[in-house]
Amino acid sequence: DAGVIQSPRHEVTEMGQEVTLRCKPISGHNSLFWYRQTMMRGLELLIYFNNNVPIDDSGMPEDRFSAKMPNASFSTLKIQPSEPRDSAVYFCASSVGQGRDSPLHFGNGTRLTVT
Amino acid sequence: GDSVTQMEGPVTLSEEAFLTINCTYTATGYPSLFWYVQYPGEGLQLLLKATKADDKGSNKGFEATYRKETTSFHLEKGSVQVSDSAVYFCALSGNEKLTFGTGTRLTIIP
Repeated sequence: DAGVIQSPRHEVTEMGQEVTLRCKPISGHNSLFWYRQTMMRGLELLIYFNNNVPIDDSGMPEDRFSAKMPNASFSTLKIQPSEPRDSAVYFCASSVGQGRDSPLHFGNGTRLTVT
Repeated sequence: GDSVTQMEGPVTLSEEAFLTINCTYTATGYPSLFWYVQYPGEGLQLLLKATKADDKGSNKGFEATYRKETTSFHLEKGSVQVSDSAVYFCALSGNEKLTFGTGTRLTIIP
């Protein structure tokens, strides 16, 4: 089991550029979550999918953020245009079910720096 | 709505000391409770869980008991090691989505 795979591990970009973060969940998991972690705000849920369908995107900060899950084995989180305040570590996690009793399995994150 | 309040950090202990990290919660219904751990440079991973009142979750020498009367799920370990240095998150899963606490950074010095 390779676990949840995120790419890239580090991303440095300039303000205004488009950023795309990628996630491959664990095979057989039907829920996928995107989180953002910062020192100031801690861990924030941005969006989660169940069976490839977005269920709750109330945590997405604004229209600059978008997420897709075109199939069960791939998801993207896009920021366009990026801003310095988007600098954070972005985690993808997957689970069987919606995480109520089955644990979330996290990737190692993408550290995004926007200058 | 659901919420989790956990002990402010950072916490620094000597090796072999006793550890307690407090966690209390507010939720409707009967939530499941979790402790996750985050090692440097990694994502969170499940440490232990309890799904009903009076259940005790345990793993790697850590324990936590689901106390409905005090709405608590305190994390304990009898003798910590340097390798336990990490950030610990309490979380609950009730009728709403999984809710995490703010995390407690633990540093163990030899």
